[in-house]
Amino acid sequence: DIVMTQSPDSLAVSLGERATINCKSSQSVLYSSNNKNYLAWYQQKPGQPPKLLIYWASTRESGVPDRFSGSGSGTDFTLTISSLQAEDVAVYYCQQYYSTLSITFGQGTRLEIK
Amino acid sequence: EVQLVQSGAEVKKPGESLKISCKGSGYSFTSYWIGWVRQMPGKGLEWMGIIYPGDSDTRYSPSFQGQVTISADKSISTAYLQWSSLKASDTAMYYCARHALGSSPRYWGQGTLVTVSS
Repeated sequence: DIVMTQSPDSLAVSLGERATINCKSSQSVLYSSNNKNYLAWYQQKPGQPPKLLIYWASTRESGVPDRFSGSGSGTDFTLTISSLQAEDVAVYYCQQYYSTLSITFGQGTRLEIK
Repeated sequence: EVQLVQSGAEVKKPGESLKISCKGSGYSFTSYWIGWVRQMPGKGLEWMGIIYPGDSDTRYSPSFQGQVTISADKSISTAYLQWSSLKASDTAMYYCARHALGSSPRYWGQGTLVTVSS
């Protein structure tokens, strides 16, 4: 299985400030035939299922605010929230779907307000 | 509108069997994979396995192989996750999710809470 490792495990950011979460995969999730990174980011709030934010490492899902952005390629990826809002408090997970029939998640990063 | 509706919360004793369900609607049930994800209390997301209802092709994460059984009944657009003998460590929220091959799961069920306690 591809192992996904996120950092940090938890993060406290002031309202309006930038939040950055990192994700590293144990092997490349870049598919050379189409030059796409099979990496997604999810947001999970208490009592709710995960919500897809970003796919193909940098494509924002419809309806997701543009303060959320994803970057990176190969094995190293970043989720950035440009200006933290109160409603962004949640746990964030990266996920690889390069091995579509053996998907794996990072351990999660808890984002709080400072 | 795509919807995945899961069966309700369950409270069981160790050693009992259980089958929970995930009913899809608003799309062609046989054309997308359905995966199951475990979330133990206060913990992260774990991919358990996946089924293609069109032909019942099923794959399991090595961590869950032999521990659970995933199945589907395409006639009623429903996927299942079952245990033959529950353990206290099976206490968790279980989610189903739909996706196509080579894509990230976009649609999720609301979750089914399974509590196993003597």
